[in-house]
Amino acid sequence: DAGVTQSPTHLIKTRGQQVTLRCSPKSGHDTVSWYQQALGQGPQFIFQYYEEEERQRGNFPDRFSGHQFPNYSSELNVNALLLGDSALYLCASSSLPGTGGSGYTFGSGTRLTVV
Amino acid sequence: AQSVTQLDSQVPVFEEAPVELRCNYSSSVSVYLFWYVQYPNQGLQLLLKYLSGSTLVKGINGFEAEFNKSQTSFHLRKPSVHISDTAEYFCAAPNAGNMLTFGGGTRLMVKP
Repeated sequence: DAGVTQSPTHLIKTRGQQVTLRCSPKSGHDTVSWYQQALGQGPQFIFQYYEEEERQRGNFPDRFSGHQFPNYSSELNVNALLLGDSALYLCASSSLPGTGGSGYTFGSGTRLTVV
Repeated sequence: AQSVTQLDSQVPVFEEAPVELRCNYSSSVSVYLFWYVQYPNQGLQLLLKYLSGSTLVKGINGFEAEFNKSQTSFHLRKPSVHISDTAEYFCAAPNAGNMLTFGGGTRLMVKP
């Protein structure tokens, strides 16, 4: 049973560019949440997708956007990259929204470096 | 809003010694609490969770945690650590919007 799959694993981008990160949820899960983990810090909630809609959003600018597809997979897009966007981006899937973290499965993350 | 504070950024300990990683939460409502472990260059793995019931929760890899409502704490313990326990540990709880919010992390460094 495959867990949460994220791609790519590593990425280097230049300031001002745009990036798309991808996440395939665990089998049986329909909700995807995205987190940003800066070096030496805990993960920060970006947003959650359920039924192809953004259900909740953390304190992140509009440069961060997302999408969920009918097969429940999800993309995170970041426009106009800043050096401060360098981080590990984690995807977590669950079987229902609003479960308070119970039942989350995390992927291994995408390491984004902005130069 | 719920917040989670991890009191130690780093905890060095010798192999086979006991360890306690401290976590305090702030909430006046019923809580769910979690501990996750992150090995180098990897994602988060759930160690254990408290949802209700017994205040002593046992998790994987010999870890356990005790929910203490009066002290608003959820400290993680292991009676004897191994080199392979070297990792970053995160305490977490859902916020007002029911999204998981994390503490700043505690780096456990097990020395031979």
